[in-house]
Amino acid sequence: QKEVEQDPGPLSVPEGAIVSLNCTYSNSAFQYFMWYRQYSRKGPELLMYTYSSGNKEDGRFTAQVDKSSKYISLFIRDSQPSDSATYLCAMGSRGGSYIPTFGRGTSLIVHP
Amino acid sequence: DAMVIQNPRYQVTQFGKPVTLSCSQTLNHNVMYWYQQKSSQAPKLLFHYYDKDFNNEADTPDNFQSRRPNTSFCFLDIRSPGLGDAAMYLCATSLTGGGSPLHFGNGTRLTVT
Repeated sequence: QKEVEQDPGPLSVPEGAIVSLNCTYSNSAFQYFMWYRQYSRKGPELLMYTYSSGNKEDGRFTAQVDKSSKYISLFIRDSQPSDSATYLCAMGSRGGSYIPTFGRGTSLIVHP
Repeated sequence: DAMVIQNPRYQVTQFGKPVTLSCSQTLNHNVMYWYQQKSSQAPKLLFHYYDKDFNNEADTPDNFQSRRPNTSFCFLDIRSPGLGDAAMYLCATSLTGGGSPLHFGNGTRLTVT
């Protein structure tokens, strides 16, 4: 079992839809959770950063962490064609030389 | 704007011909990372530096070397590129080793002919 599991998709939705992207993980020591957006031929861009369980909202994006279930989600409201990209989850634990573990990414396509 | 800059964006090299990729940062972050990313795969960590302390991943091939001459710059040297080394190479930085997020450059796409 991989440490971080993420469905690669592609996930195709119409413009305006609510998108739910998810990752599961096996390491209970993970405390920091991140979502990155990666456009084609570009580097990943940090979207959301959360610590421990709970929700965090930033504009149309909401990140949710459920440590008891080892499950994290990213919700995108009112999705736009410009949201079409690959979304990578990443997570890590405090202390030492911090090396986050990445999921393989979910490809999202928002069609007009 | 503070950022992570990678050069070149695209690099073509011949099989076995050494190549060097460069990364610079204006964020003044302590940690710098090199990742290899192949299509539809998670980024794979090759090495990272905490300041001048070099950390090599156990499964990073000996063909890959790195240098960090100062805080701002980091280089990835591929001594004898093989066809399997064609990939996107991503440089990233983070402020500390204690859980701060990574900031990525736009990558160098390496083609091996």
